[in-house]
Amino acid sequence: TQLLEQSPQFLSIQEGENLTVYCNSSSVFSSLQWYRQEPGEGPVLLVTVVTGGEVKKLKRLTFQFGDARKDSSLHITAAQPGDTGLYLCAGAASGYQKVTFGIGTKLQVIP
Amino acid sequence: KAGVTQTPRYLIKTRGQQVTLSCSPISGHRSVSWYQQTPGQGLQFLFEYFSETQRNKGNFPGRFSGRQFSNSRSEMNVSTLELGDSALYLCASSFAQDYGYTFGSGTRLTVV
Repeated sequence: TQLLEQSPQFLSIQEGENLTVYCNSSSVFSSLQWYRQEPGEGPVLLVTVVTGGEVKKLKRLTFQFGDARKDSSLHITAAQPGDTGLYLCAGAASGYQKVTFGIGTKLQVIP
Repeated sequence: KAGVTQTPRYLIKTRGQQVTLSCSPISGHRSVSWYQQTPGQGLQFLFEYFSETQRNKGNFPGRFSGRQFSNSRSEMNVSTLELGDSALYLCASSFAQDYGYTFGSGTRLTVV
């Protein structure tokens, strides 16, 4: 069973602060995705990383895939209230195995 | 293009009843996966269908079943409902796993 551990589970910060969310596993993943979910809606895909050491940027969000493809991080610069939501990481060991989700990081950005 | 459509959005059932949820994937996506989301457990994998075949199955009892039709639309069924089945049920479709999922808005099931 591939388990994805996310930390922290809860984060409340002031607008303008920076933050980093971590996603760790003892398993190797062929790819890893990050999603953001708002209450009452399904998760929305933010990014997919597939290469160890890969770094992707999406405006103020920076995603990194660990060299060993066992972990990932999401860094948000100058957080805004619109960044509030549940951030989920997800991955699978191969293209034909089930995709496992972490428990999520609930982020609140206070104006 | 149209997104993933799940129906119904909300459902209230009583214990012991059964329920069928429907999911229409994005056109061209042949993989459909179902997840159960609860506050304490997060997203738990139910099953994945690809070209009408169940490709992966999670650790849920046999009361949970699903199927996929030739047009890639999928249904999941839960029989003999229990209070603990109350959850948000999410359907997701993908072209290929490395491309990530597109999720529907979910069906909120409440068992009373």
